[in-house]
Amino acid sequence: EAGVAQSPRYKIIEKRQSVAFWCNPISGHATLYWYQQILGQGPKLLIQFQNNGVVDDSQLPKDRFSAERLKGVDSTLKIQPAKLEDSAVYLCASSLVAGGTYNEQFFGPGTRLTVL
Amino acid sequence: KNQVEQSPQSLIILEGKNCTLQCNYTVSPFSNLRWYKQDTGRGPVSLTIMTFSENTKSNGRYTATLDADTKQSSLHITASQLSDSASYICVVSANNDMRFGAGTRLTVKP
Repeated sequence: EAGVAQSPRYKIIEKRQSVAFWCNPISGHATLYWYQQILGQGPKLLIQFQNNGVVDDSQLPKDRFSAERLKGVDSTLKIQPAKLEDSAVYLCASSLVAGGTYNEQFFGPGTRLTVL
Repeated sequence: KNQVEQSPQSLIILEGKNCTLQCNYTVSPFSNLRWYKQDTGRGPVSLTIMTFSENTKSNGRYTATLDADTKQSSLHITASQLSDSASYICVVSANNDMRFGAGTRLTVKP
């Protein structure tokens, strides 16, 4: 079974530039998550999709971050304009459904963003 | 204040030795607790999951314990191997809300 795919794996940009990340979840997984993981910290949820609808985006900095999952499959996360503090690993995860006691999230390898 | 606290922040042990990682949480209402292993440059991978009624769960050389009364969990690694070098993240779920700890960075040296 193919895992969660993410691209690019690494990205270096200058502050105020724009960047986009792509995620393809495991086939059949209805729920998709984007996390931000700053070095030395645990992942922080940015946004959660159920199919192509947003379930939770309460921690997404909406003035600069946006995400979409138009067809309920793959997703893109965009930052415009980027700030130095956006330097982090952006993880995408998917699960069959949201919630549930044994529902497991499967994570992709992440995209490491460096903002100079 | 983070609702999931892990200790120690980092740990260095020799290959073959055992170690125990700690996780204390205040998340409520409790649904389940997972331990994830995150290798450098990779996404986290689930090791164990425990619900309220489970107080121990093993996965090979990894054994997790849960005390729901004191809201504490531990991950014990037996006979450590070099490949155990990674970050170990404790994640506590309350309904559909997952709270991540900052992780313990484990280094196993030959």
